[in-house]
Amino acid sequence: EDQVTQSPEALRLQEGESSSLNCSYTVSGLRGLFWYRQDPGKGPEFLFTLYSAGEEKEKERLKATLTKKESFLHITAPKPEDSATYLCAVPYLDMDSNYQLIWGAGTKLIIKP
Amino acid sequence: SQTIHQWPATLVQPVGSPLSLECTVEGTSNPNLYWYRQAAGRGLQLLFYSVGIGQISSEVPQNLSASRPQDRQFILSSKKLLLSDSGFYLCAWSTGLTNYGYTFGSGTRLTVV
Repeated sequence: EDQVTQSPEALRLQEGESSSLNCSYTVSGLRGLFWYRQDPGKGPEFLFTLYSAGEEKEKERLKATLTKKESFLHITAPKPEDSATYLCAVPYLDMDSNYQLIWGAGTKLIIKP
Repeated sequence: SQTIHQWPATLVQPVGSPLSLECTVEGTSNPNLYWYRQAAGRGLQLLFYSVGIGQISSEVPQNLSASRPQDRQFILSSKKLLLSDSGFYLCAWSTGLTNYGYTFGSGTRLTVV
């Protein structure tokens, strides 16, 4: 069964303390992995798409990497404004041959000043 | 540029009352449209999606229905709300499997009392 699991559920860091969030997946024939950021009471906002193992993408203090079984979102020297829930998702083909996304439950990141 | 509008932002409704949430997309034609529900600590749950006018696919049996009366309009409805319908509802659009996955609206917080 296709599945996406994110860990940890929540992560509290001090400002400037680097760490990583994990997204592991079991999907046959990966067609991309998406990372989103969601602020409280708002819709998710797109961050990155990764397509193949070894690929990396960067944006400010965030860097996303991909292996054959998981993706990491590394956050370097985070600031309080990086506090949010980070979601990952992978596509799968449904019974009607339409692509849908399977979503992880998210990691809630809290950066304390 | 493409934008997505979703309203209202918050809604408090009594049990047994009807529901209508509306979502419109601008700047694109024939988008795929989605309704998701997000519960605290859980991943996004796909409720309905539509690949064209009048075409609705339901992912889970529930007390809700969806309609797409126009190309860029997607409506989520219920005839009689249940307490369990409370949650955060998100509309999203895509043009197939793109580099950006989906683009989300700002969400509606529905509380059924």
